[in-house]
Amino acid sequence: ETGVTQTPRHLVMGMTNKKSLKCEQHLGHNAMYWYKQSAKKPLELMFVYSLEERVENNSVPSRFSPECPNSSHLFLHLHTLQPEDSALYLCASSQEGTGNTGELFFGEGSRLTVL
Amino acid sequence: AQSVTQPDIHITVSEGASLELRCNYSYGATPYLFWYVQSPGQGLQLLLKYFSGDTLVQGIKGFEAEFKRSQSSFNLRKPSVHWSDAAEYFCAVGASDSWGKLQFGAGTQVVVTP
Repeated sequence: ETGVTQTPRHLVMGMTNKKSLKCEQHLGHNAMYWYKQSAKKPLELMFVYSLEERVENNSVPSRFSPECPNSSHLFLHLHTLQPEDSALYLCASSQEGTGNTGELFFGEGSRLTVL
Repeated sequence: AQSVTQPDIHITVSEGASLELRCNYSYGATPYLFWYVQSPGQGLQLLLKYFSGDTLVQGIKGFEAEFKRSQSSFNLRKPSVHWSDAAEYFCAVGASDSWGKLQFGAGTQVVVTP
């Protein structure tokens, strides 16, 4: 496989469920990101991981919990979500450092529906 | 803080006609500018990018964009659209120290009619 792969592509969950979204990048990049895409709103940056350390958390509710076990994998653990959390969750990766320009490579997204 | 405005939420264009999508940014220094395209049910794909040098940049799928510092704009163009160009287009701005934390515009939905 190449690029950035996200699973599952579609997820329906109740407000009391616990589920996880998975992202894997095959590009050798050193930074990974979670973005939230809701209808009629710009993409919202949720979390940034650089070299497996979280470098940014954009005031995301604690019911979203990211995990980055290594530079190729990123998870988003979901617990006690609300219906307004229904959205497309996009994972991205980039190569950061001197001489690099922060271009993001996106996965196809995980469409989450919270009932 | 950087910001991006895409004034047109929705554009309808006939197949074979030209297309121009507007993007205005706000940033104190020289920005890194990007255009991404998103087809239904898909992630975002990079069309082109500008960092420095020639202000007219060429991208994939026949797209080009021109950086105009005086107008704080980075408009996307295509001379002749194809039905497969129907998608949503996002302009984004970043900086050398932004660690990929791009600021995205709200997007422009392009509909292509026969």
